[in-house]
Amino acid sequence: RKEVEQDPGPFNVPEGATVAFNCTYSNSASQSFFWYRQDCRKEPKLLMSVYSSGNEDGRFTAQLNRASQYISLLIRDSKLSDSATYLCVSLTGFQKLVFGTGTRLLVSP
Amino acid sequence: DAGVIQSPRHEVTEMGQEVTLRCKLISGHNSLFWYRQTMMRGLELLIYFNNNVPIDDSGMPEDRFSAKMPNASFSTLKIQPSEPRDSAVYFCASSLPSGGPQDTQYFGPGTRLTVL
Repeated sequence: RKEVEQDPGPFNVPEGATVAFNCTYSNSASQSFFWYRQDCRKEPKLLMSVYSSGNEDGRFTAQLNRASQYISLLIRDSKLSDSATYLCVSLTGFQKLVFGTGTRLLVSP
Repeated sequence: DAGVIQSPRHEVTEMGQEVTLRCKLISGHNSLFWYRQTMMRGLELLIYFNNNVPIDDSGMPEDRFSAKMPNASFSTLKIQPSEPRDSAVYFCASSLPSGGPQDTQYFGPGTRLTVL
């Protein structure tokens, strides 16, 4: 079993839709969590950090549930430019990031 | 400011050949990470350095892989001999850890390796 698991998708949604991704993690010692975004044939880039209290950055909301060991990302009012793969990431130990295999999002006109 | 620089961007080689991938950190950063990404396994950490010292190499698949950091701004990942199953995208990332949990890793554009 992978340490961080995600539904690979793809999630196909129309512009303006709200879409949510979840991921689960198995290492209860994981300290912090992040969502990275990766465009096709590009490098991953940090989208946002995830806090237990939940955090919001514009149209993006991230939430952490430590009791159930899952992380979520909500995207409101989807744009065509949101089409990408979203990587769920946990931090274990000193700077050691563990990546999920990613959830692919396709936003269509 | 220049980001993380990797070379070559694409490499096609034949099984058994030696492959050397190169990475230049962002100026002022002191942690460097080598990752490998494949469709089946996703993005996996191979090895990381802090202040030129290897901290964790538990992700290095086998003895055919070796990584060095000869100075504070440059690193190489060598595969010798290469095998078709080594075909993947290899990313280098750097960061400047401040001791907190939110230190961001900045990724280079990657090297797409194909071993025939």
